[in-house]
Amino acid sequence: QLVLTQSPSASASLGASVKLTCTLSSGHSSYAIAWLQQQPEKGPRYLMKLNSDGSHIKGDGIPDRFSGSSSGAERYLTISSLQSEDEADYYCQTWGTGIRVFGGGTKLTVL
Amino acid sequence: QVQLVESGGGLVKPGGSLRLSCVASGFIFSDYYMSWIRQAPGKGLEWVSYISSRGSTIFYADFVKGRCTISRDNAKNSLYLQMNSLRAEDTAVYYCARDREYYDMWGQGTVVTVSS
Repeated sequence: QLVLTQSPSASASLGASVKLTCTLSSGHSSYAIAWLQQQPEKGPRYLMKLNSDGSHIKGDGIPDRFSGSSSGAERYLTISSLQSEDEADYYCQTWGTGIRVFGGGTKLTVL
Repeated sequence: QVQLVESGGGLVKPGGSLRLSCVASGFIFSDYYMSWIRQAPGKGLEWVSYISSRGSTIFYADFVKGRCTISRDNAKNSLYLQMNSLRAEDTAVYYCARDREYYDMWGQGTVVTVSS
């Protein structure tokens, strides 16, 4: 079964960096994912598509502070030089034929 | 301007029906798959259904099979979700999104509340 697992919460200080993790279920380690950001009271925003080799395609206007990387079944989103507006929920998402799957989301708090 | 605009949400009693609409602009709608995704209050994102660019391929999440019908009208750049036999647990913000297997464009959402 295709499942994405994310930690429910993370925190980091203003100006620091944070690395969020999304883990693919067993047998699905080659899958690409997408990262989405959802700021409070807003709809989701596409950040990037991230492949298993770490290559990624960012959405229009996404700052260079946002980057992605991969290792095995883990997919990472690193946000550097954290700003207050980065405080949001971050979701990973993947897909198969006939199915689309979201992780449970990570709530990022900027201290 | 590239955008998706949903409408049709509202308050409906359990067992009732609603038809959601999503109008696309700024891109060639007929080239893309489209999806509906929902988000219950305080919860995460949950995929509901997707439809291929010409409407020939459709899939639903198990929790809406038999109760919802997705459709599209490419001449009107519009996506629809007919929801029947609504339950309290269907209460959510419903988003339409451009589906490239990943979602690179989202609407602002329309709120569906199922309550007596």
